[in-house]
Amino acid sequence: EPEVTQTPSHQVTQMGQEVILRCVPISNHLYFYWYRQILGQKVEFLVSFYNNEISEKSEIFDDQFSVERPDGSNFTLKIRSTKLEDSAMYFCASSPGTPVQETQYFGPGTRLLVL
Amino acid sequence: AQSVTQPDIHITVSEGASLELRCNYSYGATPYLFWYVQSPGQGLQLLLKYFSGDTLVQGIKGFEAEFKRSQSSFNLRKPSVHWSDAAEYFCAVGAYGGATNKLIFGTGTLLAVQP
Repeated sequence: EPEVTQTPSHQVTQMGQEVILRCVPISNHLYFYWYRQILGQKVEFLVSFYNNEISEKSEIFDDQFSVERPDGSNFTLKIRSTKLEDSAMYFCASSPGTPVQETQYFGPGTRLLVL
Repeated sequence: AQSVTQPDIHITVSEGASLELRCNYSYGATPYLFWYVQSPGQGLQLLLKYFSGDTLVQGIKGFEAEFKRSQSSFNLRKPSVHWSDAAEYFCAVGAYGGATNKLIFGTGTLLAVQP
């Protein structure tokens, strides 16, 4: 069964450094998402991406964050200057497309630790 | 505003006992509801979903959930719990605007299974 994959599984970085989290969505899916889960808190929506542009973003997704689909298979989340509070599990998800009821399929996550 | 409440942070049941995890939602229109499970070190796996039709939905691993509009609830049930069901369970509602279908998650219920 096709699945969403994410790399790396764990990343440790120093505050102020840039990190890039990578995702390979399920092929032929059209919508892509990033969510995060701070330890002990709920999973929160960050951003959705469709047709090579951001469809929606949350208030969390400020100027330090960016997303890109550099080729036909990868979907990346870049955090430009990491802060301690960016430490979290980051989940990538994809869905086939409209109608809106389409299921989102999640990857295993990247655990980011900012020191 | 859309929201999901899972009143039980932590539940412990004995193996073979029945299980019910509670979920209440707040959403202005017809809700699209989901239950996901997160095993330790794993990503979010879809258990089941409700879009319309029969209010009792069946999912994987022997789980079912019942949508009750009058109570704004979507409780997850399993008649006989197995040790492998120990995990964290998240209820989510699909919130749709424009071309996206982001998910709004509850805080999760951590299930422990006693032998």
